[in-house]
Amino acid sequence: GAVVSQHPSRVICKSGTSVKIECRSLDFQATTMFWYRQFPKQSLMLMATSNEGSKATYEQGVEKDKFLINHASLTLSTLTVTSAHPEDSSFYICSATVQGSGNTIYFGEGSWLTVV
Amino acid sequence: AQSVTQLGSHVSVSEGALVLLRCNYSSSVPPYLFWYVQYPNQGLQLLLKYTSAATLVKGINGFEAEFKKSETSFHLTKPSAHMSDAAEYFCVVSDRTGRRALTFGSGTRLQVQP
Repeated sequence: GAVVSQHPSRVICKSGTSVKIECRSLDFQATTMFWYRQFPKQSLMLMATSNEGSKATYEQGVEKDKFLINHASLTLSTLTVTSAHPEDSSFYICSATVQGSGNTIYFGEGSWLTVV
Repeated sequence: AQSVTQLGSHVSVSEGALVLLRCNYSSSVPPYLFWYVQYPNQGLQLLLKYTSAATLVKGINGFEAEFKKSETSFHLTKPSAHMSDAAEYFCVVSDRTGRRALTFGSGTRLQVQP
């Protein structure tokens, strides 16, 4: 079946540095991927919609210059947290929908980011 | 716009007891509905989904949910709780357009007492 792979699963970075998270669709093409964020003890919130070959669409309150999204191919979307701060520490997870599959949504494994 | 409300951030049941996790949605048109489970320090796992076929949906691990349009509800149930069911459960709604962005409920943490 379709699989979405996310990497890294856990990352610790220093405050002020940038970190990149990758989301790959392994056996299908995904023109659209979604990025969600989950703060401790909270629900998941949609951050942005990643569109292949075009700019991402960000949800209200999400800084597009801080959370850079690149969807350069039909199988890869990346989220780069720039100039990370401790308050960016969170669980980030991506999802993709198989074209023509109706409502089948596949999630990546998620990435735990800790900024120290 | 769509939204989903989960009643009760924490639910505690005894092992072997009925599990009932409540979810109500708000949508201008009948949406797709999902229940996801998140075990500690892990990602999301799909329990079941409603896509306008049968209103009673059976999922994995003995869970099921019933879509009730008149009540705009999609409550999750399991006849007999197991210790391994302890986790965070999210009710999720998706619109029927091609966008497929998800709106998550606030989550319900299920505790199972021995």
